[in-house]
Amino acid sequence: NAGVTQTPKFRVLKTGQSMTLLCAQDMNHEYMYWYRQDPGMGLRLIHYSVGEGTTAKGEVPDGYNVSRLKKQNFLLGLESAAPSQTSVYFCASSQTGDRAEKLFFGSGTQLSVL
Amino acid sequence: AQRVTQPEKLLSVFKGAPVELKCNYSYSGSPELFWYVQYSRQRLQLLLRHISRESIKGFTADLNKGETSFHLKKPFAQEEDSAMYYCALGGGSYQLTFGKGTKLSVIP
Repeated sequence: NAGVTQTPKFRVLKTGQSMTLLCAQDMNHEYMYWYRQDPGMGLRLIHYSVGEGTTAKGEVPDGYNVSRLKKQNFLLGLESAAPSQTSVYFCASSQTGDRAEKLFFGSGTQLSVL
Repeated sequence: AQRVTQPEKLLSVFKGAPVELKCNYSYSGSPELFWYVQYSRQRLQLLLRHISRESIKGFTADLNKGETSFHLKKPFAQEEDSAMYYCALGGGSYQLTFGKGTKLSVIP
C-alpha cells in the first residue's frame, strides 16, 4: 500500500526555472494539501484541495500554482523559481477534511533554488 | 485566528529521564489537537490526538483548556524517541495549523 507518493525526491533549480511537483495518493481521499517545511518555521500550508477540480489558497500561496485534475493527483507548480522557495515540500491527504481527522503525508521533496 | 506555540526549538534529555514537550494554542472555539512526529529520514506521521485519549509509544498528552495547552509527556525517554515533534491544531477550517516544532534529542 503506497499511501501518498511524491516525485521527485530531490531537485536543484536555477533562479527563474520552472518545475512541477507531483503528489499521488491511492487511498481515494478527497482532500489534499501542499505544505512547505522550513527550519524554525514548522509546516506552512501553501495550497489545498477539497476535491477533484477544486483548489484553494493556504497560508503562503504566492509564487505557487496547483491543479487537481484527477482525484488521486495534486500538482504543485513553480513558474519562476526563487531562492526563497528553497525548502522541503510535503504533500498530505485526508478522507473527509474533518478537523479531527489525521493527515497522511508523503516522504517529501527537497528543493534547492540557486 | 488560530495559533500554535512550541516554545522549545531543541530539547535534550538523558535516556531514562522524563520528557515534556510543550505546546500552547490560541483558538476561540473548541480545538482538535494533535502531535505529529518525524523520525530521521521518515515522513511525518501522527503520534496521537487528544480526541482518542490514547497512549502511543509511552507518550501521553492532556488537553488543558484553562491553560490552552497540550503538552506531550513520557515518563522515561528512549533513544528511539529522538525526532522532530510538531503540535498541530484543527480549528474552524479544513486546515491544520502546525507549531514550529521541537527537536527532541535523547542522550544515551
